[in-house]
Amino acid sequence: GQNIDQPTEMTATEGAIVQINCTYQTSGFNGLFWYQQHAGEAPTFLSYNVLDGLEEKGRFSSFLSRSKGYSYLLLKELQMKDSASYLCAVMDSNYQLIWGAGTKLIIKP
Amino acid sequence: GAVVSQHPSRVICKSGTSVKIECRSLDFQATTMFWYRQFPKQSLMLMATSNEGSKATYEQGVEKDKFLINHASLTLSTLTVTSAHPEDSSFYICSASYLGTDVNEQFFGPGTRLTVL
Repeated sequence: GQNIDQPTEMTATEGAIVQINCTYQTSGFNGLFWYQQHAGEAPTFLSYNVLDGLEEKGRFSSFLSRSKGYSYLLLKELQMKDSASYLCAVMDSNYQLIWGAGTKLIIKP
Repeated sequence: GAVVSQHPSRVICKSGTSVKIECRSLDFQATTMFWYRQFPKQSLMLMATSNEGSKATYEQGVEKDKFLINHASLTLSTLTVTSAHPEDSSFYICSASYLGTDVNEQFFGPGTRLTVL
């Protein structure tokens, strides 16, 4: 079966760095997405990786290793507004998104 | 660009009634629209995928006669929850994609919170 695993919840301090991991097992691979979702709102796109390596976009970076079925989202200089759930999703061979359950990130002052 | 709207944002209805939710792509033509349902503290669950002018493809376990999807134009898809019951209470989110995006990105609407009494 298809499976996406990510931690349920993480806590970090304002100004610090946090890494959210995601491991996946899917039938085929057409890219991995990270989305941010604030409570009661729809997800917003953060990043997309289809090749191995690190993609940097401002305070957020995303890494992919296809051979390990592994990705992480790195958030630097954390701000209180970064408190949200972060969803990892993999596009499978049918171009369907398989979603992880999300990681709730709590930022403390 | 690539804005998707949903209407209504919240709806409360009585058990047994039908509710229609609209999803519109405001500044692009959506070749494909997706309908998701999300229960509290859970991941998004894909309900169905629809392409303009053709019948929706429903995921396993989703009743197509209960969740009617119409994708009549390249900018509008509707989800009708027929004979809604309290267990249908959930957050319903649509997303849309179009040919030409580099990353097969889905653009999400703001979601509709349905409460069935």
